[in-house]
This record gives sequence, C-alpha cells and structure tokens, in this order.
Amino acid sequence: EAGVTQFPSHSVIEKGQTVTLRCDPISGHDNLYWYRRVMGKEIKFLLHFVKESKQDESGMPNNRFLAERTGGTYSTLKVQPAELEDSGVYFCASSQGAGRGNTEAFFGQGTRLTVV
Amino acid sequence: AQSVTQLGSHVSVSEGALVLLRCNYSSSVPPYLFWYVQYPNQGLQLLLKYTSAATLVKGINGFEAEFKKSETSFHLTKPSAHMSDAAEYFCAVSEKGGYQKVTFGTGTKLQVIP
Repeated sequence: EAGVTQFPSHSVIEKGQTVTLRCDPISGHDNLYWYRRVMGKEIKFLLHFVKESKQDESGMPNNRFLAERTGGTYSTLKVQPAELEDSGVYFCASSQGAGRGNTEAFFGQGTRLTVV
Repeated sequence: AQSVTQLGSHVSVSEGALVLLRCNYSSSVPPYLFWYVQYPNQGLQLLLKYTSAATLVKGINGFEAEFKKSETSFHLTKPSAHMSDAAEYFCAVSEKGGYQKVTFGTGTKLQVIP
C-alpha cells in the first residue's frame, strides 16, 4: 500500500512567486493534515481536513496560504506570493476517519521549500 | 493550551549505551503523547504512543517511554543504542485525542558514536 506522497520533494522559488505543494494521502483516509517546520524550530500544525472540509485551519499563518482538498482526495497548499519566512519543510499526514479503529497519522517525506 | 519541551537539541551516545531523550509536556486535559522519529531524507514515523492505558509504552526498534503524570514527563529510552538509531526524534502531544492538531517539540538529534 502506498504511503503519503508529497510533491515536489524540493522547491526553490524567488520571493514574490507562487508555489503549490501537493499531498496524496493514503487511499481511504478521511483526515488530512498539513504541518510546517521552519529551520531549527518545532513542527507546527497548519490545518486539518476531514474529507473535503476544513475542520481546523487555526494554524495557517496568513492569507497568503490557501489549502484545498478537492473531492476529499489529494490536497494542495498554495503560497502566493511567497516570502522569505515561508521557507521550511512542509509535512502532510493522513489518518482514517473517527470510529474506524486505529487513527494513527502517517506522514509524508515533506516538501522542502526555499524562498530566495 | 498544550506544549512540549524537549531537553537537549543534540544528544550523543556510544554504540551499546543507554539512550535517554527527555520530554516534558503541558496539557490542560489528559493528553495523548507520542514519539516520532525522522531518519535522514525520510518522513516522520511513529515510534510509540501513550493513550491513557499502560503508563509504560513499548514501541518499535526497542524503544519505550514511561508516562509520569506527577512529573509531566514522557522520556524515551532504549537500553542499547545502535548505529541505525541515529536520527531526529520528536516528542508530541494531542489534547483532543487521536491525532488531531498534534503539538510537537523542537526535536532532538541523536548521534551514535561507534
């Protein structure tokens, strides 16, 4: 079974440009989460989807960040326009829906974003 | 609000020595606690989790952690370090149960010296 897949693995963009990160969760997982780790700091929660709905987006830093999950399958996280402080590693995780037993979250390898 | 403090951003141990990675948490409700590991160029992998059952939790690769409510601690241990244990370890807490909105610590990089 395929795990959580994130694209691209690395991205280097200039300040002011737009970048879109993609996450393909494990098939059948209703919950999808985005986290971010800025260099040297802790991994911080960004938002949580349940199927196509945003359950909790309290961690989104500002309105330059837009997350979508069309059809409750894959998700995209767009940063527009990117700023230097957006650099970091963006992790995606997915888990089964509540009431389905094990709700362990499985993480992808992350996308390393560098804004120059 | 919940938070996690990991003591020591870098820990070095000799191969075969005891591994002890410290984690203290703060939570207003009974927490779920986790340890994750990230090997180089890989994603985060769950090592073990505490979900209000047994206070001594055994995980993968010989790791275990003990939940101590009185000390608000959840330290990670392994009796004998192996070279393959070199990685970054993250302690994490969730107040809502399950895995929603997990709060991570800053991570501890473990170096194993041959």
